[in-house]
Amino acid sequence: QKEVEQDPGPLSVPEGAIVSLNCTYSNSAFQYFMWYRQYSRKGPELLMYTYSSGNKEDGRFTAQVDKSSKYISLFIRDSQPSDSATYLCAMSETDKLIFGTGTRLQVFP
Amino acid sequence: GAVVSQHPSRVICKSGTSVKIECRSLDFQATTMFWYRQFPKQSLMLMATSNEGSKATYEQGVEKDKFLINHASLTLSTLTVTSAHPEDSSFYICSARGQGPNQPQHFGDGTRLSIL
Repeated sequence: QKEVEQDPGPLSVPEGAIVSLNCTYSNSAFQYFMWYRQYSRKGPELLMYTYSSGNKEDGRFTAQVDKSSKYISLFIRDSQPSDSATYLCAMSETDKLIFGTGTRLQVFP
Repeated sequence: GAVVSQHPSRVICKSGTSVKIECRSLDFQATTMFWYRQFPKQSLMLMATSNEGSKATYEQGVEKDKFLINHASLTLSTLTVTSAHPEDSSFYICSARGQGPNQPQHFGDGTRLSIL
C-alpha cells in the first residue's frame, strides 16, 4: 500500500463546475499538507499549505484536512480552462514530502 | 514572492557527458534545498536533501557519486549528473524551503535531461 493514494484521473469537467480532488494517506504522523498544481513540462506550483486538521480558503480554492479519516481534499469553485493541469497532493511529518501520483484535471469551455 | 529559478530548462547531450543543473532561490534564503526526479505520468521522487554548508543526504537507491550535489550558499544549489547515460534521462526538479519553522517547499520549473 502506498503512503499516499490519489486517483490519477483524468477528470474532465465543464467550465464553471466545482471540482473536488482528494487524497488518502496511511501515516498518522503526517502533519503538513499541501496541494500543488503542475502544468505540463513545468515544476509544481504551491496552491495551498495547511498544518494539521481544518479548512483553509484562498480565492476559488478550499483545502480540507481530516486527520481522523486520513483524508484531504481540494475544492476548486468556478473552474476555468486555465485550471487544466495535474494536481498533486503532498504531505510530510518533518522535511520529506511524500507526493500523491497527481490527478489530471481538464476543464473544457 | 518565493521564486525558485532552475537552469537550464532543457539539456540534450551525448552519453558519458557530465551535466550541471543550477537551482536558485531568487527572493528568499533557502537553508534547505531538495532534488527530485520525475518520470512521465509519475509523481516526484525525492533524490536528496541538501543543507547549506553541509553534505547532502541521499535517499535509498540514489548513487551519491553519480549525482553530485553542492549547496554552497543560501540561494544556490547545484546537481551534477556525472558520466550521464540514457537511463539518466528524466525530468529533474529542485525545490527550496525558506528559513524558519513550518515553511513549505517552492519548486523550480525543472530540467528535462535527454542523454543520447
